[in-house]
Amino acid sequence: GAVVSQHPSRVICKSGTSVKIECRSLDFQATTMFWYRQFPKQSLMLMATSNEGSKATYEQGVEKDKFLINHASLTLSTLTVTSAHPEDSSFYICSARGLAELTYEQYFGPGTRLTVT
Amino acid sequence: AQKITQTQPGMFVQEKEAVTLDCTYDTSDPSYGLFWYKQPSSGEMIFLIYQGSYDQQNATEGRYSLNFQKARKSANLVISASQLGDSAMYFCAMSQTGNQFYFGTGTSLTVIP
Repeated sequence: GAVVSQHPSRVICKSGTSVKIECRSLDFQATTMFWYRQFPKQSLMLMATSNEGSKATYEQGVEKDKFLINHASLTLSTLTVTSAHPEDSSFYICSARGLAELTYEQYFGPGTRLTVT
Repeated sequence: AQKITQTQPGMFVQEKEAVTLDCTYDTSDPSYGLFWYKQPSSGEMIFLIYQGSYDQQNATEGRYSLNFQKARKSANLVISASQLGDSAMYFCAMSQTGNQFYFGTGTSLTVIP
């Protein structure tokens, strides 16, 4: 199956700093990538959808200036949490969808656990 | 409106028994896909099974089967011969035109030895 990686898997940062999370599709070209946030014991919440070469589409309530998403190539999307605060501590998961996907499937990365102190 | 509903926050099953996790969905789009994912404590989303809206037969993948009842808009996951390693969160999801996935709130499954 298709493989999506995320880096880093865990990150701890101080309040006020910025953190970048990378999402890579390793063996396929991802025309669309999705970023989700998951709080403990809750479901995944879609933050934004990004298509290669164009601006990301953010879900209602997600601050686009705080969560910067870049999808510069067909294999890489990045999420930058700017001026992070403790309430941004969460599990961030990306997923990717290929060029010719017949089954609507998205391939998920292993997630990044962000802790802001 | 809630697109995916999972009404069982927690379920327990005896090892080697079968268990059914419920999922209902809401859509007016005739074309959609239904998914089940397992999320262990490590956090990764593990794909289990897929059912397309036009598929005539229920999907099966090893010990997993999807009981697809289109008229009732339900897509229950059946796990047969439960194993201790099956203890995890299980999410039902739907995708339709427009790419977006809709996730349910999840069911926490605990397998009892």
